[in-house]
Amino acid sequence: DTAVSQTPKYLVTQMGNDKSIKCEQNLGHDTMYWYKQDSKKFLKIMFSYNNKELIINETVPNRFSPKSPDKAHLNLHINSLELGDSAVYFCASSQDGAASVHEQFFGPGTRLTVL
Amino acid sequence: GQSLEQPSEVTAVEGAIVQINCTYQTSGFYGLSWYQQHDGGAPTFLSYNALDGLEETGRFSSFLSRSDSYGYLLLQELQMKDSASYFCAVRDYDMRFGAGTRLTVKP
Repeated sequence: DTAVSQTPKYLVTQMGNDKSIKCEQNLGHDTMYWYKQDSKKFLKIMFSYNNKELIINETVPNRFSPKSPDKAHLNLHINSLELGDSAVYFCASSQDGAASVHEQFFGPGTRLTVL
Repeated sequence: GQSLEQPSEVTAVEGAIVQINCTYQTSGFYGLSWYQQHDGGAPTFLSYNALDGLEETGRFSSFLSRSDSYGYLLLQELQMKDSASYFCAVRDYDMRFGAGTRLTVKP
């Protein structure tokens, strides 16, 4: 059983388009995250959601918006895509708790290429 | 502000021991964790330290000194499959990852 899944795995699109990446976790975790990993492998947190409430909102462009229909899903919508958005996007989840929040479970990633 | 420093690359031979250091600067601190990422794969959790000292998990150990804002990941009996990138991460208000250390294990 896949713990954290993302779709699609690859996404190739033109500048200016709007796209979404879906994420689902079946671990019963309370918090979900979105990370961006650039070509230099730097992993940067973008958002996290706890019980459908946004608790961290990094200084990312407002073209990016997380949407959580329920505790098990956190989707990422990106409007007006730009070349610099090309990266691998990872969804992750963790249980709440001082220690358990450090153990994040990552999805397989979505490689986004903007042409 | 926040910063994490770790070496960009480390090379070692099979069977050897390697230590990957991480120094951090954060406004708050709730723990240091380590993740492994193989090329094309997702980060996977290895270990977590909240208190000073050594945590051992099989061939991997992680150490933390809060007074020195320093930690390390120790990998023993290196195997070819350990070739990957290793990230330290700290949590104050949110999780911050270092730039990663690429470990290459040679036969």
